[in-house]
Amino acid sequence: DSGVTQTPKHLITATGQRVTLRCSPRSGDLSVYWYQQSLDQGLQFLIQYYNGEERAKGNILERFSAQQFPDLHSELNLSSLELGDSALYFCASSVVPGELFFGEGSRLTVL
Amino acid sequence: AQTVTQSQPEMSVQEAETVTLSCTYDTSESNYYLFWYKQPPSRQMILVIRQEAYKQQNATENRFSVNFQKAAKSFSLKISDSQLGDTAMYFCAFMKRGSNDYKLSFGAGTTVTVRA
Repeated sequence: DSGVTQTPKHLITATGQRVTLRCSPRSGDLSVYWYQQSLDQGLQFLIQYYNGEERAKGNILERFSAQQFPDLHSELNLSSLELGDSALYFCASSVVPGELFFGEGSRLTVL
Repeated sequence: AQTVTQSQPEMSVQEAETVTLSCTYDTSESNYYLFWYKQPPSRQMILVIRQEAYKQQNATENRFSVNFQKAAKSFSLKISDSQLGDTAMYFCAFMKRGSNDYKLSFGAGTTVTVRA
């Protein structure tokens, strides 16, 4: 158990819909990262937050947004969903640079 | 931007044998970290080993060791005495050192199957 909790583990939705993925980092970790894993794109960095502030942005679509709350949990919002958004979305947290602790991921299926 | 290349999509190894996974990367940075992460069928990503580019000594973690060749921009992972539990997808990753963020760039992964 990495200590990073992600919910939901699975969700199925329709095109055009909006979903929210939630992540609770390890106790004490200030950094939260979101990654997308798909068969065609591999593991792609989406966004990083550090203590409530956006620290880095990767290949995140404008339809996607994220935030980190004062209690350090984070949410990734995906809107106007398309078939191509179907993927595994990972949250990770860290203290030591690069040593990420990943959650089990949220498997999103867009039909 | 950094690119990480893993040229072996799949590898198979007999239990107790040794397997080596290759990884090359492209960067203009001189200070960076390299990592190997493992993703077993349970799908949770787990850090296997870490190497700091300024260290010449290759990192070792139990049965896992790396061969880091900075000039060649190569970072291979050797799994010795393979066990069934090593069956997983292995990802090589790069991180620039000294940046304000700690984002990782991952390779495409190598699926390792350990045969009984």
